[in-house]
Amino acid sequence: GESVGLHLPTLSVQEGDNSIINCAYSNSASDYFIWYKQESGKGPQFIIDIRSNMDKRQGQRVTVLLNKTVKHLSLQIAATQPGDSAVYFCAENRGNAGNMLTFGGGTRLMVKP
Amino acid sequence: EPEVTQTPSHQVTQMGQEVILRCVPISNHLYFYWYRQILGQKVEFLVSFYNNEISEKSEIFDDQFSVERPDGSNFTLKIRSTKLEDSAMYFCASSEAVQANSPLHFGNGTRLTVT
Repeated sequence: GESVGLHLPTLSVQEGDNSIINCAYSNSASDYFIWYKQESGKGPQFIIDIRSNMDKRQGQRVTVLLNKTVKHLSLQIAATQPGDSAVYFCAENRGNAGNMLTFGGGTRLMVKP
Repeated sequence: EPEVTQTPSHQVTQMGQEVILRCVPISNHLYFYWYRQILGQKVEFLVSFYNNEISEKSEIFDDQFSVERPDGSNFTLKIRSTKLEDSAMYFCASSEAVQANSPLHFGNGTRLTVT
């Protein structure tokens, strides 16, 4: 069925290394994608977004890449820090009127000191 | 930075009871949402709300659920007769606009436990 899914449920990286979190989506009508970070006991926190007319967008230490050909989204975190440890969700907007987001299952990022 | 606030942080209720979860969206935002997350599962959309009416709702949002904006600052989710399977984290969110370049900002959630 149509869904947003993640390839790796847990990603463990060394502090200072770069992290890459991946997400696959199946709905070619999706035109807006967001990455959220969720720390324990908190709500999803907006990190970065990208529209379907772009293939790359950069923020502070984060980059989102969108490959519409293979329906793949990734989040790159440069120089990963202990504070980056959290669960990361991708979410897609399928172009619906109510701005409804469909979330993926989440990837837990663990940063080793 | 402005944020979405939710109260209470944790609500315990007995099956069959009514609960009201409260949210104060970001002040200049016009669009409001409720999502839920059952433990260990994905965040799921419940409902979106604009101009005092529901814009969109999911299959989860049945007749037991209702939303209201009782005044200029609060946005509430009511569950009329709670069931065990309603136990979850409930997140309120708001956005400036409904276009697909207006990110949703989430509160820290209310953990609802139905016993």
